[in-house]
Amino acid sequence: DTGVSQDPRHKITKRGQNVTFRCDPISEHNRLYWYRQTLGQGPEFLTYFQNEAQLEKSRLLSDRFSAERPKGSFSTLEIQRTEQGDSAMYLCASSPPRGGTEAFFGQGTRLTVV
Amino acid sequence: TQLLEQSPQFLSIQEGENLTVYCNSSSVFSSLQWYRQEPGEGPVLLVTVVTGGEVKKLKRLTFQFGDARKDSSLHITAAQPGDTGLYLCAGGFNDYKLSFGAGTTVTVRA
Repeated sequence: DTGVSQDPRHKITKRGQNVTFRCDPISEHNRLYWYRQTLGQGPEFLTYFQNEAQLEKSRLLSDRFSAERPKGSFSTLEIQRTEQGDSAMYLCASSPPRGGTEAFFGQGTRLTVV
Repeated sequence: TQLLEQSPQFLSIQEGENLTVYCNSSSVFSSLQWYRQEPGEGPVLLVTVVTGGEVKKLKRLTFQFGDARKDSSLHITAAQPGDTGLYLCAGGFNDYKLSFGAGTTVTVRA
């Protein structure tokens, strides 16, 4: 399977704990995005990488959130001191160079903070 | 606040019927995409429209982009249970960021 891969698929954590999610984009895609989706809503943009450079961060990405993409390949999204409001589906997507806004999404990581 | 309004929020129809879902905004988009999402999965890209007035067909699905590039519609002919899912429209502001609507949940009963 050569699609976008996310790990883990599901994560249950206690409030206050740190969590880290991983995303492996489609191999020839140099652009990578993180979105967050809550129940009954469409995905909301969190951040965008072009190669290893993080070019935009949404104001939704508080200082407890950090995303990295070392070497321009896989990406990680870390949430520190999780809160119940962080419970959501975290979606990673990637796009090829000059591919416009077409994004290919992974299956997502469902985070539940208890 | 989502810039794209989708209607209706829910739609339940019998197999074989037709349906149309709408996506409206006060903003002009450089492109507009439709995705379909199943429970617990990520959205899957169906189509991208970029030109005002553009119409694209994908088997039984017909997508239209408004002349002013502010709205779009998705029409499904002779719906099948496999068409069940959450249909999301997403507008492109630049060459990377998408703004999604809240989606229309379509249920096709056998």
